[in-house]
Amino acid sequence: QKEVEQDPGPLSVPEGAIVSLNCTYSNSAFQYFMWYRQYSRKGPELLMYTYSSGNKEDGRFTAQVDKSSKYISLFIRDSQPSDSATYLCAMKTGGFKTIFGAGTRLFVKA
Amino acid sequence: GAGVSQSPSNKVTEKGKDVELRCDPISGHTALYWYRQSLGQGLEFLIYFQGNSAPDKSGLPSDRFSAERTGGSVSTLTIQRTQQEDSAVYLCASSSYNTEAFFGQGTRLTVV
Repeated sequence: QKEVEQDPGPLSVPEGAIVSLNCTYSNSAFQYFMWYRQYSRKGPELLMYTYSSGNKEDGRFTAQVDKSSKYISLFIRDSQPSDSATYLCAMKTGGFKTIFGAGTRLFVKA
Repeated sequence: GAGVSQSPSNKVTEKGKDVELRCDPISGHTALYWYRQSLGQGLEFLIYFQGNSAPDKSGLPSDRFSAERTGGSVSTLTIQRTQQEDSAVYLCASSSYNTEAFFGQGTRLTVV
């Protein structure tokens, strides 16, 4: 079993929809949780960074961490065609090594 | 440099040839990672360096793949006797203790 599981998709939604992207993990020692966005033919870039449990909001994006369920989510409100990308979750303990999910491909149709 | 630099950005090679891919991490980042993304596939972990040592090389798909890191900085991923299934984008990332991982733009490898 992988340490981090992420549904690869693809996920296709109409413009304006609320998108929910999720990851589950097995290592209860993870404390730092991240979401990256990767556009086609580009390297992934950090989108959201949260510590421990709870919610963090940044514009149309909300990151949610439920450590009791070992489950993290990224919500995108009022999705736009420009949100079409691959979204990768990532997490780490207090140390160096970051573990990534495989990524979910999202398509937002105009 | 300001970010993670990978070279070459594109590489076309003949089946059976050896290739070397280079990653120059952000200065001061002690952790370095190599990943692979095949067309339509997800991010696949290859190897993780902490300094010059590789405590986790569990993702290397075969003994044709090897990587080294020197001076706690530049890393080279070598693929020997390339096969068509090696065609993919190879991504490098680096991080330090209290930062997120930063990615390079990747090397697109095509084996013909």
